[in-house]
Amino acid sequence: NAGVTQTPKFQVLKTGQSMTLQCAQDMNHNSMYWYRQDPGMGLRLIYYSASEGTTDKGEVPNGYNVSRLNKREFSLRLESAAPSQTSVYFCASSDQTRYSYEQYFGPGTRLTVT
Amino acid sequence: GESVGLHLPTLSVQEGDNSIINCAYSNSASDYFIWYKQESGKGPQFIIDIRSNMDKRQGQRVTVLLNKTVKHLSLQIAATQPGDSAVYFCAGLEGAQKLVFGQGTRLTINP
Repeated sequence: NAGVTQTPKFQVLKTGQSMTLQCAQDMNHNSMYWYRQDPGMGLRLIYYSASEGTTDKGEVPNGYNVSRLNKREFSLRLESAAPSQTSVYFCASSDQTRYSYEQYFGPGTRLTVT
Repeated sequence: GESVGLHLPTLSVQEGDNSIINCAYSNSASDYFIWYKQESGKGPQFIIDIRSNMDKRQGQRVTVLLNKTVKHLSLQIAATQPGDSAVYFCAGLEGAQKLVFGQGTRLTINP
């Protein structure tokens, strides 16, 4: 099992450009998440999808859109990138049980907006 | 909503000593907490979790303690090794789906 995979690993954008970050999981998990991580800060939730066909805003959704393409894939889109969106982006998935809410994280995408 | 915070942004310990990383939370209704380890350039990895009906849970070389009275939890790492160098995050469950993360403590191991 690959777990959670993310593409690309690195990306440089100019202000105003758009791009989509891809995420896929092969663990048959229902829930998927997008976080951003800025230096010296913890992970902040951008959007999440509790199940296929549903998405909800997290703590910092402005400037982003998401698509839960199917159970495996959850993409994050920046329509018009801004320097404030320079960050490391992590995708995660989970299958909450009665005993655990563990989220499994991908390796991250390092995005720089100039 | 929930908020969690770590007491120290950095912690330096001698190899072989025990490490204690502390975390405070705000929402007394939170009933689940989790610790993650993040090595440089990687995504966070699960270490251990605990539900609010427990005070203590042990794993391999790690122990999590939960004090609901003062809304505090700690991660103890026994016999710290160089491979334990990383940033450690605590997180609390908010609602049924979301984890709220603290800012992280960077653990450095001195030889």
